[in-house]
Formats: sequence, structure tokens, C-alpha cells
Amino acid sequence: EAQVTQNPRYLITVTGKKLTVTCSQNMNHEYMSWYRQDPGLGLRQIYYSMNVEVTDKGDVPEGYKVSRKEKRNFPLILESPSPNQTSLYFCASSFLAGSGETQYFGPGTRLLVL
Amino acid sequence: AQSVTQPDIHITVSEGASLELRCNYSYGATPYLFWYVQSPGQGLQLLLKYFSGDTLVQGIKGFEAEFKRSQSSFNLRKPSVHWSDAAEYFCAVVTSYSGAGSYQLTFGKGTKLSVIP
Repeated sequence: EAQVTQNPRYLITVTGKKLTVTCSQNMNHEYMSWYRQDPGLGLRQIYYSMNVEVTDKGDVPEGYKVSRKEKRNFPLILESPSPNQTSLYFCASSFLAGSGETQYFGPGTRLLVL
Repeated sequence: AQSVTQPDIHITVSEGASLELRCNYSYGATPYLFWYVQSPGQGLQLLLKYFSGDTLVQGIKGFEAEFKRSQSSFNLRKPSVHWSDAAEYFCAVVTSYSGAGSYQLTFGKGTKLSVIP
């Protein structure tokens, strides 16, 4: 089954404790992206990647890191989480044939930073 | 700067009534436009998209949307709403894209739809 998976789905942590949220897709997509969703703000893009070893900042990259060492995986790293990073996070992927390609979203990771 | 506006934060309709969700975009070139739906506790699912051709686009679950360049709008419609349509709906536009394929997707803040039985 074609899908985007994220782990963990729920995470409670404390300020300053490094964490990684994994994202994996099995559709051989070139393009992958991370969003955060906050009430009243919709989805905002954090980082995106056009292919292996190619990443770029989205609209809200501060406090986050990403890596793309393999085509299928695009982990999101919070080196020193803060309470303002409490949010719902979505990973998405698509083909890069054109910017009109459909993005497929993972189920989301709900993060609470105390 | 490119932006997407969904003027209605929350809409309530009766089951069987028609629905129109508004979306306005600000973008200089021909936009690539999307509507996504998010059911409670779920990820986002694509309803439909427009990037060229016929300005009336058909999507899944009986939804359609019409691109109107003169009004910078891409409103989502459904002739008869079902209780299962209760969800949050997001309009999105591709921004910052280049010939190399790099692009960003900018979302509106969403419209929450409630359906009264």
C-alpha cells in the first residue's frame, strides 16, 4: 500500500531534550516536506527536499533540522525543543515531475513540549 | 508575497444543503491550486487540484471547484452535503517554484465545516 508513515504519532517531551520524528514513504517520491499545523494558522511549511542531499527552508525553519540521506526517509530533528514547538506535524511527499503534483500526507505527529 | 485567504473560519450547514467554501489567492503567475480535506484526527487528503485547462474541476466525494482568474478565487462547492463531509478544508497554492522543480505549497488557515443532521 502506498503511504507516508510517521513515528511516533504522539510525543511528550521536555524543553531542551533532543528528539527526532521519522518520516518514510514507499512511493519513490523525490519531493518530501514537513509542515506544522497550529490552530488558526493552518499548515506552515518547515523544510522541504527535492531529492537526496537537497533540502531547503520553508516558511518556519527556525529550531528545526532535516536530513535526506535516503530517498524514502526525511527525518525532522528538534535539537533543543521549546514549548512554542508544541504542534501537530505532518510529513508529505510527491513526485517532482511538476509543481502541480499531488502531495501525500502522513497521519501526523502530535508533539507536546513541556 | 504570495498568500491564500479562506475568509470563513467556521461554516455550519444542514445535511442535504448546498455548500460553497471560499478561497482567494494572491499570486502573480498562473497558480496551481489545491483543495485538501482533513477529517478529525486524520492527515490531509486531496479533494481536487487545478493547474491548467478547464476552469471547473471535478474532485472526489462529489466536490467541484471553479477557478476564476478575474476574482483570484478557487471556491469549493458541493450540491448536497452529507454528514460525513464534516471536516476541516484547506485551500493551497504552489508558490516559489522554479524550473528545477523546487516549490513550496502555501496553505490557507482552513475552514471548519459542521453539518447539522
